[in-house]
Amino acid sequence: EVYLVESGGALVQPGGSLTLSCAASGFNFINSWMTWVRQAPGKGLEWVANIKHDGTEKYYVDSVKGRFTISRDNAKSSLYLQMNNLRVDDTAVYYCATFLFSNGWYWDSWGQGTLVTVSS
Amino acid sequence: QTVVTQEPSFSVSPGGTVTLTCGLTSGSVSTIHNPSWYQQTPGQAPRTLIYSTDTRSSGVPGRFSGAILGNKAALTITGAQAHDESDYYCVLYMGYGMVFGGGTKLTVL
Repeated sequence: EVYLVESGGALVQPGGSLTLSCAASGFNFINSWMTWVRQAPGKGLEWVANIKHDGTEKYYVDSVKGRFTISRDNAKSSLYLQMNNLRVDDTAVYYCATFLFSNGWYWDSWGQGTLVTVSS
Repeated sequence: QTVVTQEPSFSVSPGGTVTLTCGLTSGSVSTIHNPSWYQQTPGQAPRTLIYSTDTRSSGVPGRFSGAILGNKAALTITGAQAHDESDYYCVLYMGYGMVFGGGTKLTVL
């Protein structure tokens, strides 16, 4: 069974930094694209970033480009999201998920999420 | 920029059938957009229901089905149950990336 466990969420001041982690198990992490999706309180889901299985390709939603960095450590089966210059509108639950391809891309397995609150 | 649209809310009676749709503010949805559908109960993580327009994810019961109906993607729930009361999100591939619809809040009553 696939397990994705996020951690690292916290209360941080605007302009601050935070790194989220996602520990993966139960599937072939080394060969899997991974993604971060977020959900602001009371709002819908929003894709944040994707990373190829070997880390050579990374994609971001425009609103986080230049501030967030997605990375992975395949030896540790872990996914990360480094978030800098955080803004109030980055407040959300952040989910990591597997990103699979079958005639097209889709998200398959999801973690339970970790809450990031940006507030002074 | 084209927006992915969904009904904000919908209601269905227990045992009934409901079809939720996913459209575009400009143009028609087709299999090229690779529609996928996700269910989310408040406070819980999303759950993948349908991908590649009409393929059920592992463990998803057969009463959930996906299709293209007219110019929209559609998720049909047949024989709705109380625990189907959730938010449902569609996602379309828009060439520049994957875009979520705003979600449909389904009430079963």
